[in-house]
Amino acid sequence: GNSVTQMEGPVTLSEEAFLTINCTYTATGYPSLFWYVQYPGEGLQLLLKATKADDKGSNKGFEATYRKETTSFHLEKGSVQVSDSAVYFCALSEWDTGRRALTFGSGTRLQVQP
Amino acid sequence: KAGVTQTPRYLIKTRGQQVTLSCSPISGHRSVSWYQQTPGQGLQFLFEYFSETQRNKGNFPGRFSGRQFSNSRSEMNVSTLELGDSALYLCASSSGPALHSPLHFGNGTRLTVT
Repeated sequence: GNSVTQMEGPVTLSEEAFLTINCTYTATGYPSLFWYVQYPGEGLQLLLKATKADDKGSNKGFEATYRKETTSFHLEKGSVQVSDSAVYFCALSEWDTGRRALTFGSGTRLQVQP
Repeated sequence: KAGVTQTPRYLIKTRGQQVTLSCSPISGHRSVSWYQQTPGQGLQFLFEYFSETQRNKGNFPGRFSGRQFSNSRSEMNVSTLELGDSALYLCASSSGPALHSPLHFGNGTRLTVT
């Protein structure tokens, strides 16, 4: 079946540092890929998405490129802020064992220190 | 535009009882999905409803059920509660089927089973 693997956290960075959160996936077809963010006490919010190979999703300074050859969708930001502290989830949507499914990674907690 | 509203925010129940959670989607959204979030298992898909019909179901026992009303509001029911059902239950709505349309999440209902 489909699966999403994210780097384990927490990731601790200083403000203005460069961020990379790795995400790789396994899928049988051509999934759409998403990054969601969860702030403390809240639900998930869509951060960005990409629907086909080589697409780049971007939002609020975050970027991720759909790499089919490496089955990856790594999240990057050039300069993080304290307000970016949250849990980040990589997800894919695709057919899986005969049914449509949205599969999430386990989440990566980001802590940004001033 | 109001976001996804879930009620109640917190629930405490005893093993063996049943519980009903409610979700009001964003106005105009016809798809409602439910997820269970736990520290150990992460985010797991429960089911998706679209235009009052269950379109997808995750790998949960029959104790977990749901329905969607004509106004797109949805309810989720868990019968014969077990300690392991303690979790954050998230509802998400989308304008189209969840496979292709981004999900908009509510803040969740935290269920504690004692």
